[in-house]
Amino acid sequence: DQQVKQNSPSLSVQEGRISILNCDYTNSMFDYFLWYKKYPAEGPTFLISISSIKDKNEDGRFTVFLNKSAKHLSLHIVPSQPGDSAVYFCAAKDYGGSQGNLIFGKGTKLSVKP
Amino acid sequence: DAMVIQNPRYQVTQFGKPVTLSCSQTLNHNVMYWYQQKSSQAPKLLFHYYDKDFNNEADTPDNFQSRRPNTSFCFLDIRSPGLGDAAMYLCATSRDRASGYEQYFGPGTRLTVT
Repeated sequence: DQQVKQNSPSLSVQEGRISILNCDYTNSMFDYFLWYKKYPAEGPTFLISISSIKDKNEDGRFTVFLNKSAKHLSLHIVPSQPGDSAVYFCAAKDYGGSQGNLIFGKGTKLSVKP
Repeated sequence: DAMVIQNPRYQVTQFGKPVTLSCSQTLNHNVMYWYQQKSSQAPKLLFHYYDKDFNNEADTPDNFQSRRPNTSFCFLDIRSPGLGDAAMYLCATSRDRASGYEQYFGPGTRLTVT
């Protein structure tokens, strides 16, 4: 059973607008969340993370929001650029229960159109 | 640049013929991971090494083995590949397993089984 879910396989956004990628999780023991970006023929690249003690983390155009009560996090990209077109993976970590292993979602393919 | 290198990038093997995938890192990280990713699926952790300590995931088939002869190198051995083992294999490293330490991925090796 999937513990990390990205329910939108794809998302298309116009350049300059906001991209919002969503992620839901089921395990309340997850204490750290990460977003990775993956271009074709490359490995995933770390983008941004958030600890469960925070509800927001910002890095330039990228902001991650965490709603623990809803077990939901989202990645906002503002403004979106064509170079942001990639697959975005949400991942969660439960240090105590799984030796810090990452549990990934299936990914959302973002297309930013010029 | 410090990085995670995987060789080869593409590997074709025959059904039942043993194959070894290679990963090396220049980051001097303690932890090395092997993931399997099938098309449109989440990366799935097979096992990881914390220094010399091998940690196998409960549902990783016995057909998959790993070796870490030193800090820099880690190998994935598939003893008798089946058609269902065709996938992208991703190697990753992290400085530690605790939350707060992201994983760095290599570009992956795409395995085809004929």
